[in-house]
Amino acid sequence: EVQLVQSGAEVKKPGESLKISCKGSGYSFTSYWIGWVRQMPGKGLEWMGIIYPGDSDTRYSPSFQGQVTISADKSISTAYLQWSSLKASDTAMYYCATPDGGSYGYWGQGTLVTVSS
Amino acid sequence: DIVMTQTPLSSPVTLGQPASISCRSSQSLVHSDGNTYLSWLQQRPGQPPRLLIYKISNRFSGVPDRFSGSGAGTDFTLKISRVEAEDVGVYYCMQATQFPQAFGQGTKLEIK
Repeated sequence: EVQLVQSGAEVKKPGESLKISCKGSGYSFTSYWIGWVRQMPGKGLEWMGIIYPGDSDTRYSPSFQGQVTISADKSISTAYLQWSSLKASDTAMYYCATPDGGSYGYWGQGTLVTVSS
Repeated sequence: DIVMTQTPLSSPVTLGQPASISCRSSQSLVHSDGNTYLSWLQQRPGQPPRLLIYKISNRFSGVPDRFSGSGAGTDFTLKISRVEAEDVGVYYCMQATQFPQAFGQGTKLEIK
């Protein structure tokens, strides 16, 4: 069974750094892209970027390029999303997802990030 | 970049009646491999999104057959043949043909 398990909710202050994780199991982690999706409170889904763990090929949405870093550690089947300096506007639910049939068939449970002073 | 536009943004439907959501892309979604990577996802309140339809018209595992997808090129439609109470939520189209991938704004399906 394909599973993506994300790290727990985080409460941070503006300016702090953060790295959240997404651990894949039940499939060949290095053979499928993993994407990250943001959902701000009460809003729609926004595609942030994607990584291919096999060779670390990474693509970003222009809206998120330079704002976040996506990485993966294939030795532990885990993808990451990180910020070097959080802003209040980064408050959102973040999902990882991996494709099946050319779209995101499998989703993590989400990680809620709250940034508040 | 490809922009995905959904209509309507809100759809009040009577239980047992059909529902339809449209999605238009700003460019053709036909990939160089011949596939069209247009999918539909459902998000129920408080839950992660769930894939319903991939490559225009293929139902994902476990999706009821009252959901169907159609279209080609830049115009696509999701249809629910008979709406049930569990179908309440927000529906998104998404293109994965080209980077950056993109979602539509979402259509809220609610019961009248």
